[in-house]
Amino acid sequence: EIVLTQSPATLSLSPGERAILSCRASQSVSDYLAWYQQKPGQAPRLLIYDTSNRATGIPARFSGSGSGTDFTLTISSLEPEDFAVYYCQQGKTFGQGTKVEIK
Amino acid sequence: EVHLVESGGGLVQPGGSLRLSCAASGFTLSTYWMSWVRQAPGKGLEWVANINQDGTANLYMDSMEGRFSISRDNAKNSLYLQINSLRADDTAVYYCARVLRDNSNDASDYWGQGTLVTVSS
Repeated sequence: EIVLTQSPATLSLSPGERAILSCRASQSVSDYLAWYQQKPGQAPRLLIYDTSNRATGIPARFSGSGSGTDFTLTISSLEPEDFAVYYCQQGKTFGQGTKVEIK
Repeated sequence: EVHLVESGGGLVQPGGSLRLSCAASGFTLSTYWMSWVRQAPGKGLEWVANINQDGTANLYMDSMEGRFSISRDNAKNSLYLQINSLRADDTAVYYCARVLRDNSNDASDYWGQGTLVTVSS
């Protein structure tokens, strides 16, 4: 069973800064790597699928990259609405999440 | 516009059963894999089960097989999750979600708002 490990657990940044979130798989995975954003009291929202494709309506400041076992979600310049928890997913497995909080 | 609305959650005693429903609208349910994902209070996301377009293929998290049963009624635009022998650690918000493409390992592009299941005596 694949394990996805996200780091860091918490990222403290200011609006306008760049956020780099990591998702590491316990074994090489296919490109079906997705990223979600979740705000308190809300359902997850798909941001990125197939490692690097933005979902419908997702701003260009969100980008995904990686292959094999190492994947990254980058938010180029944080907007106030981007402070949230982010999860990666591959198949039946989710990472434990990274919280992006305001510094 | 795609909408998924879950219902059927509530307070249930340990050992009890519950049937969750998900009403789908704004798309043709019969052409999509569908999923249930849960989230315990203050915890991360946990995939529960998937079902293919005509209900002939069901996939479950290993630890859940036997107590959980996913099903669908495309004519009623509905997805279901039957949970038996409920335990305290089943307490969670249960989300239904639409799988993006015709692959059970794919991402989910639309999610409902979730229904809370609380298992307690």
